[in-house]
Amino acid sequence: GDSVTQMEGPVTLSEEAFLTINCTYTATGYPSLFWYVQYPGEGLQLLLKATKADDKGSNKGFEATYRKETTSFHLEKGSVQVSDSAVYFCAFVANSNSGYALNFGKGTSLLVTP
Amino acid sequence: NAGVMQNPRHLVRRRGQEARLRCSPMKGHSHVYWYRQLPEEGLKFMVYLQKENIIDESGMPKERFSAEFPKEGPSILRIQQVVRGDSAAYFCASSPFGTNDEKLFFGSGTQLSVL
Repeated sequence: GDSVTQMEGPVTLSEEAFLTINCTYTATGYPSLFWYVQYPGEGLQLLLKATKADDKGSNKGFEATYRKETTSFHLEKGSVQVSDSAVYFCAFVANSNSGYALNFGKGTSLLVTP
Repeated sequence: NAGVMQNPRHLVRRRGQEARLRCSPMKGHSHVYWYRQLPEEGLKFMVYLQKENIIDESGMPKERFSAEFPKEGPSILRIQQVVRGDSAAYFCASSPFGTNDEKLFFGSGTQLSVL
């Protein structure tokens, strides 16, 4: 069935380090892909998205490229900050008419230390 | 403009009791969605409601679970006769539009623990 697999956490990095959080998906067709972020004590919020192959989503210095050939949507940031400490969720939706029925990964906790 | 409000943040129930989880959507939002995150799993869609109507409940267990979004007041997710396997984080989201995923706003969740 449809599913999302993202790398296990927690991930601990020093400030200004390079970040990669891997995400791969299993789905039929051409799903839309998302990264959501949950800061401590808050709800999930959309970080970035991509709706077709080779699209690159970007926001707040984060980027992810929709790779159809590897069914991946890895999240990257060149220089993380302490304020980036949060839980990151990869997600996709298979049917654009049911955009609410997101399939989420387990989440990857990121801790950035000064 | 307050965000999506869920209460309680933590709920403890004994097996066989009822659990009622509340979700107040953002002001102006008439679409509500419930998700469940079981331990060591990702969030799974449960149900989508519009005011007074269930639009899609394909992700909700057939027994013991029900959801409503009355004309007035918050949306309620009710779990009757809870079992240990119901222990999870339950997230609510709201949107002003039915299917526009970019406009989903999530609450902080309710952590249900069944003893």
